[in-house]
Amino acid sequence: DQQVKQNSPSLSVQEGRISILNCDYTNSMFDYFLWYKKYPAEGPTFLISISSIKDKNEDGRFTVFLNKSAKHLSLHIVPSQPGDSAVYFCAAIETSGSRLTFGEGTQLTVNP
Amino acid sequence: DTEVTQTPKHLVMGMTNKKSLKCEQHMGHRAMYWYKQKAKKPPELMFVYSYEKLSINESVPSRFSPECPNSSLLNLHLHALQPEDSALYLCASSQQLGRTYGYTFGSGTRLTVV
Repeated sequence: DQQVKQNSPSLSVQEGRISILNCDYTNSMFDYFLWYKKYPAEGPTFLISISSIKDKNEDGRFTVFLNKSAKHLSLHIVPSQPGDSAVYFCAAIETSGSRLTFGEGTQLTVNP
Repeated sequence: DTEVTQTPKHLVMGMTNKKSLKCEQHMGHRAMYWYKQKAKKPPELMFVYSYEKLSINESVPSRFSPECPNSSLLNLHLHALQPEDSALYLCASSQQLGRTYGYTFGSGTRLTVV
């Protein structure tokens, strides 16, 4: 039972354009959401997070939007850069905070 | 020091071998985690330690045995593994258990069971 879903296994965008990565979740107990970036042979690196009491959080080129009623969040990267090419994981934590549950990841490729 | 260090980076072991994976952090984090990641799959939680005590075991087979000898060190002892256990094993830590504490991941140990 996949509680965090990223339905797009891959996304390709041109340098300078916006990248939008989507994530859906099913567990109503999730109240904190994170995005991680992962390069091959490395561990996930934290990018940005959002609490369920907010609907938007911004950090530089990265913005995360949360639609709690739809159980949907998205990560916007603008402008996209070739160095952003990596696998992006959406993750969620329950109120208890003891489990980080990942989605299956989206491979982002930014073409020069 | 803001890193989680995992050793070895690569490990090949036979099904009758005993080996250990090591994870170390010096950030004063009191929660540590083992995750397993198969190819093209998300990381899956295996164990959670909080203040050196096992907090969560996600029904992991007993051929995987975690150990937290002190607040900086987390081991994963491996014995009689199967080829399907081949995966990237990731260690992570956080200041404490709790949703707003960020997780820091190590680079992982790439395990191959032959």
